[in-house]
Amino acid sequence: TQLLEQSPQFLSIQEGENLTVYCNSSSVFSSLQWYRQEPGEGPVLLVTVVTGGEVKKLKRLTFQFGDARKDSSLHITAAQPGDTGLYLCAGAGTGANNLFFGTGTRLTVIP
Amino acid sequence: EAQVTQNPRYLITVTGKKLTVTCSQNMNHEYMSWYRQDPGLGLRQIYYSMNVEVTDKGDVPEGYKVSRKEKRNFPLILESPSPNQTSLYFCASSSNPLYEQFFGPGTRLTVL
Repeated sequence: TQLLEQSPQFLSIQEGENLTVYCNSSSVFSSLQWYRQEPGEGPVLLVTVVTGGEVKKLKRLTFQFGDARKDSSLHITAAQPGDTGLYLCAGAGTGANNLFFGTGTRLTVIP
Repeated sequence: EAQVTQNPRYLITVTGKKLTVTCSQNMNHEYMSWYRQDPGLGLRQIYYSMNVEVTDKGDVPEGYKVSRKEKRNFPLILESPSPNQTSLYFCASSSNPLYEQFFGPGTRLTVL
């Protein structure tokens, strides 16, 4: 079973601060997805990264895939209360036929 | 509206009383799966289905059954629920197991 460790597990910050959350594994992934889950709802896809070293931006969110395709990070600039939620990474291992989800980072942005 | 629906959204039951959680999608997706979500453990896959009549075990299948008689429906069956199956359950569908997964709203199950 592949393991995707996310850190930190919990993060509480003030509105306007910057933050970075991490998704790490000892396995190589052919692609990696980031999801956000809001209370009472299912996860919703934010982005997919597929190339080592790839950087994708989604407004104030910046996603990076590690050069070795074993890790990824999500950086949020000037966090807002609407960013509050559980952030999950999910990886597709080389040759795998299913995604494997990380443990999640629960972010709270305080107004 | 493209969506995955689950019912019920909330369920409290007792040990040993068989229950079924329904899942339906209207996106004509071939791939469907069930996950359970527990604090600190993330999403763990219970069962998945590549297509009609094709199902397979995920990482935590013990105590669960599924069926895929129609493309749009993928019910999760707990024949004899136990307290350790208390969890938040999500159904998901996709055109491919490695592509974007579309999740239902979740079913919060409590087994007393």
